Amino acid sequence: AQKITQTQPGMFVQEKEAVTLDCTYDTSDPSYGLFWYKQPSSGEMIFLIYQGSYDQQNATEGRYSLNFQKARKSANLVISASQLGDSAMYFCAMREGRPNSGYALNFGKGTSLLVTP
Amino acid sequence: SAVISQKPSRDICQRGTSLTIQCQVDSQVTMMFWYRQQPGQSLTLIATANQGSEATYESGFVIDKFPISRPNLTFSTLTVSNMSPEDSSIYLCSARGGATDTQYFGPGTRLTVL
Repeated sequence: AQKITQTQPGMFVQEKEAVTLDCTYDTSDPSYGLFWYKQPSSGEMIFLIYQGSYDQQNATEGRYSLNFQKARKSANLVISASQLGDSAMYFCAMREGRPNSGYALNFGKGTSLLVTP
Repeated sequence: SAVISQKPSRDICQRGTSLTIQCQVDSQVTMMFWYRQQPGQSLTLIATANQGSEATYESGFVIDKFPISRPNLTFSTLTVSNMSPEDSSIYLCSARGGATDTQYFGPGTRLTVL
């Protein structure tokens, strides 16, 4: 069963505007972590932001913030003041309690973001 | 943060052959992982590379097809054996220091099988 759901295959945003990329997750584990990665056309996976399930505050990293709504099981990424270089694929991922897999991340299908001038 | 390098960065191979991908981390890490990203798809975990013991494979992946070695805390290899065009993908090495640490990725190996 899909544990991470990203419902937006593609998004457009105008330069300097803010954009929200949606991510919902499903887990029964009380301890888990949520991650967002950016993958430009070069293929590298760039870590953006992390939110732990017990964190009281929403995570922020520069222009990136994570809107964490635990009861709704959502972890949306907000990018403020979009730049042309933000155009990329964005993946939401979750780490939950699977010690046999070394607590590896499971990924959503991704959202393609295009920033227009 | 961990800096991860992979070799080769890309390769074009004939069906039926095998390719070994190397992954080097610039610091000792607890966990190393191998992922596959098929064209236009998300990342799928192949296996967790355990130091000094056999890798732990995810459902749908087997050791005969994807043998993995991890001889020390900074290095791992993934072999894609008896390749077919369906193996054409990006293969990504990933590593993490501790249980709650961030998971970092290498630049990936783009494999095309003809």
